[in-house]
Amino acid sequence: AQSVAQPEDQVNVAEGNPLTVKCTYSVSGNPYLFWYVQYPNRGLQFLLKYITGDNLVKGSYGFEAEFNKSQTSFHLKKPSALVSDSALYFCAVRPNTGTASKLTFGTGTRLQVTL
Amino acid sequence: DAGVIQSPRHEVTEMGQEVTLRCKPISGHDYLFWYRQTMMRGLELLIYFNNNVPIDDSGMPEDRFSAKMPNASFSTLKIQPSEPRDSAVYFCASRRSGGEAGELFFGEGSRLTVL
Repeated sequence: AQSVAQPEDQVNVAEGNPLTVKCTYSVSGNPYLFWYVQYPNRGLQFLLKYITGDNLVKGSYGFEAEFNKSQTSFHLKKPSALVSDSALYFCAVRPNTGTASKLTFGTGTRLQVTL
Repeated sequence: DAGVIQSPRHEVTEMGQEVTLRCKPISGHDYLFWYRQTMMRGLELLIYFNNNVPIDDSGMPEDRFSAKMPNASFSTLKIQPSEPRDSAVYFCASRRSGGEAGELFFGEGSRLTVL
């Protein structure tokens, strides 16, 4: 069975500082990995994904994530946080096999960026 | 291009009443997913369809819940009878199949309150 762990319920960072939101995963075979963001009273929005190739993936709003196969991690990063980045962030995984279409989400990490 | 459209956005009902939530996926997307989000349990996959056929309904909580997809542009999630513990935000999401991992597109959600 596949699973995702987001060890931090909340991450606090000052505006302008770098941020990291952690994610580790477990899946049979090679993974497809995703990050989604949820603003209050909204649906989840896609940020970025890892399929194959370069371990550093760049996405929307200046976010990037680094795939580390040996550590089974896919941490979300941004060099300089903005107050507007404050939201709930979800990591998700599914196997890259053709018939497996079920995406498993983590429990979410709330990012709070303060002035 | 319109996104995933859900209705109603908010529903308040009394215990025992029937609730029907509706979803229109993005045109051309052949996968449709129903998720439930609560503070206690996070984001749970209830059921998903491929080409209008239910593929995995193992997440449906109990027989009070049912979902249908009569055509490629419409799906319903029905709860009958509703109970207070069904109070949650219900999300519909869709994606297209293909060789690469397709990201999910979420609707804005239907917030259900059962009194």
